[in-house]
Parts: sequence; C-alpha cells; structure tokens
Amino acid sequence: GAVVSQHPSRVICKSGTSVKIECRSLDFQATTMFWYRQFPKQSLMLMATSNEGSKATYEQGVEKDKFLINHASLTLSTLTVTSAHPEDSSFYICSARASGAKNTGELFFGEGSRLTVL
Amino acid sequence: DAKTTQPPSMDCAEGRAANLPCNHSTISGNEYVYWYRQIHSQGPQYIIHGLKNNETNEMASLIITEDRKSSTLILPHATLRDTAVYYCIVRVPSSYGNKLVFGAGTILRVKS
Repeated sequence: GAVVSQHPSRVICKSGTSVKIECRSLDFQATTMFWYRQFPKQSLMLMATSNEGSKATYEQGVEKDKFLINHASLTLSTLTVTSAHPEDSSFYICSARASGAKNTGELFFGEGSRLTVL
Repeated sequence: DAKTTQPPSMDCAEGRAANLPCNHSTISGNEYVYWYRQIHSQGPQYIIHGLKNNETNEMASLIITEDRKSSTLILPHATLRDTAVYYCIVRVPSSYGNKLVFGAGTILRVKS
C-alpha cells in the first residue's frame, strides 16, 4: 500500500520554541493532506486540511496562527507548532489520499510524531 | 454529518472471529463506511470500506445492512496482534476531498 512518512517521530522542545513536523507521501502524489492531534487515551481530532498550493482549512477551535501548515508540493506538508507550551504536548498524525487515478478512496496515515514540550 | 456509535470495548478469544458492530443510522446515500484500526502509539491503519455491498479483503470482511444504518467488521481469525482500537467512520463530504472524522472507537482485546 501507499506510504506516508512523518519526521521526526519524537521531539522534545522547550516551552516557547517552535517545532516543525514533516509529512511526506513517498510513492504517490497527494493534493490534500490532513493533520490530526491525539491526546492520551483519546481519539484522533482533526485539526486542519492541508491543500497543495493554497491555504489550509482549519477546524473550529484550532488556532491557525499557532499551528502553521504549509503544503508546498504534492508530496510534502508541514505543520509548525509555534511558541509551543506544555499543553501542546500530543501525538500529531498526518494522512493523505492519492490524487487522480491512484485514488482508491483510502486515506493513508503516517506513523505519528510525538511532541513533548517541557 | 453522519455519526457512528460503537461499543467502547470488546474481548475476543485468539483464533475466533471478532465481530465489531457499528451504528450509523443517519448515514446519507452517498456516504461510505470506513474502518480503520490503531495499534498503541502508531498511526491508524486502513482496513476496509464500503458503500452498499458487503466487502472482503485479505484483512477483514465488512457487512452492511440493507438499510445501511449499521455495519459489522469481521476479523475471521483474530490474533493477539489484532488487539487495537477499531474506528468505524462515515466519510464526510467537504470542499477539499473527503475528510475523516474519528469517533471514540472500540477497543478490541484479543486474548489467548
């Protein structure tokens, strides 16, 4: 199946710093990618929809200035957590769906990135 | 947006079939039912999806009732590695492709 890769898988940072998480579709092109956040023992919460070449669409209650999303190419989307605080510590997961003829309806997920803010 | 209801947890004996139910009584005619699972500290894994007809692949079978208000995911011979949270999701139409909204899911514990 299609592969979505996230980097880094784990990151620890100090409060007030910014952290960038990358999401890459390795063997397919993805016009649209999705970013989720998951707190311990909770389900995934959709944060935003990342669209190649245009602005991301954020879910209600998600601060667009705090969670910067850039989808500069058909295989890469990045999520930057700006001025991170301990409450931003979470498991961040991206997903992507293949574009065009390779679109089988499946949504492929990355391995997740665990952010810990000290 | 159609929502889903799943039991919070289920147990299954190793080697037996695991039948995971899902209710989606407000599903609309063009919405698909998707199943994903998440093993601890990993990203979700796609299992299967369907619209009206029953579907089968190498991982599981999906049985959708005729009125489409409920479905059942069947793992024919559960193993310990199938222990995970299973999510039943109805695809939500949006402007930029169909985003998936996750509910609480069912924790499946496969026991030896």
